[in-house]
Amino acid sequence: KNEVEQSPQNLTAQEGEFITINCSYSVGISALHWLQQHPGGGIVSLFMLSSGKKKHGRLIATINIQEKHSSLHITASHPRDSAVYICAVDNNDMRFGAGTRLTVKP
Amino acid sequence: GAVVSQHPSRVICKSGTSVKIECRSLDFQATTMFWYRQFPKQSLMLMATSNEGSKATYEQGVEKDKFLINHASLTLSTLTVTSAHPEDSSFYICSARGHGNQPQHFGDGTRLSIL
Repeated sequence: KNEVEQSPQNLTAQEGEFITINCSYSVGISALHWLQQHPGGGIVSLFMLSSGKKKHGRLIATINIQEKHSSLHITASHPRDSAVYICAVDNNDMRFGAGTRLTVKP
Repeated sequence: GAVVSQHPSRVICKSGTSVKIECRSLDFQATTMFWYRQFPKQSLMLMATSNEGSKATYEQGVEKDKFLINHASLTLSTLTVTSAHPEDSSFYICSARGHGNQPQHFGDGTRLSIL
């Protein structure tokens, strides 16, 4: 079993829909990252969480340390949000989820 | 916020060439730098961890003579892919961590294509 599990693996949505991507992990962590990877490959760090909730524009990330679970939400999704979203946990070594490929259709 | 610069962003070269990729921390001292590799449609895989001034620690299955890592200063680490072959074509990403339990900050990645 992977230490970091993401779901869903693929997600297609219509523009404007509310998106949720989930991440569960099985190791102790000091922080959890949500990363965005566009088709060109470049990685953008969206959030780093150690507790609670963070919001940046239309993106919201939450983490429940006790349940070892985090969610990334995108409100009012847009085609430019189409990318692979990767959950990564930091316990001195980084452990990456397999990624969620999001496609937002106009 | 902390910025990590990776250069070049894209390299296309002939088989047998050695390729150097640089990873710089621009506004903090990176005591530890990490090198990752990503094959198409797969997640990031750690190749090696380097601490400033000491030899890199390579993950199992990663050839240290093939992927030379130097971390000579607190702001620069380099990955050299020696005598690159088409199977080395991949996306390489570095990240850097400062003192203590600081988070990792990622570079933009380098897409390496070996013809």
